[in-house]
Amino acid sequence: RKEVEQDPGPFNVPEGATVAFNCTYSNSASQSFFWYRQDCRKEPKLLMSVYSSGNEDGRFTAQLNRASQYISLLIRDSKLSDSATYLCVVNPNQGGKLIFGQGTELSVKP
Amino acid sequence: NAGVTQTPKFQVLKTGQSMTLQCAQDMNHNSMYWYRQDPGMGLRLIYYSASEGTTDKGEVPNGYNVSRLNKREFSLRLESAAPSQTSVYFCASSEVTVDQPQHFGDGTRLSIL
Repeated sequence: RKEVEQDPGPFNVPEGATVAFNCTYSNSASQSFFWYRQDCRKEPKLLMSVYSSGNEDGRFTAQLNRASQYISLLIRDSKLSDSATYLCVVNPNQGGKLIFGQGTELSVKP
Repeated sequence: NAGVTQTPKFQVLKTGQSMTLQCAQDMNHNSMYWYRQDPGMGLRLIYYSASEGTTDKGEVPNGYNVSRLNKREFSLRLESAAPSQTSVYFCASSEVTVDQPQHFGDGTRLSIL
């Protein structure tokens, strides 16, 4: 089993749609969680951290379920500029290392 | 703000040649990392340095060496390049505390013929 698994994608959605990405992790000792965004093999950039209580940043909402070892990202009112690969990232509390999922590609169409 | 700076941005090598990828950060971070990214494989950790003076192997260290020159700089060396090392290489840095994300450089695209 991979340490971090994401929906395989790609997701092709029209502008204005709501889309949700799911991610599961295997290490129950993991302490912190993030969503990164990566455009066209450019560097990954932090989209948002994921907190136990859930958190929202504009059109983006992240949820964490520690009991099920599950993380989600919801994007509302999708924009063309949201087209990218979204990486689920887990800190397993092993000296600062992060474990990256393979990413889910999102394509938002006009 | 420069953040994490990688050099070079592009490089083509012949099999057997050696080279060093440079990385520097100006955020006073303790930890630094080297990843490679290949199509369909996601980001894989090569080596990391939790603090100045320490280095540890990641998931795919074979064929690479690293040096944590000082707090700012962390270099990755290919002693004898192989075509299998053709990849995009990213350097990242972070604070050592568990809830801090990593900040990435813009990558080095390396082709080995």
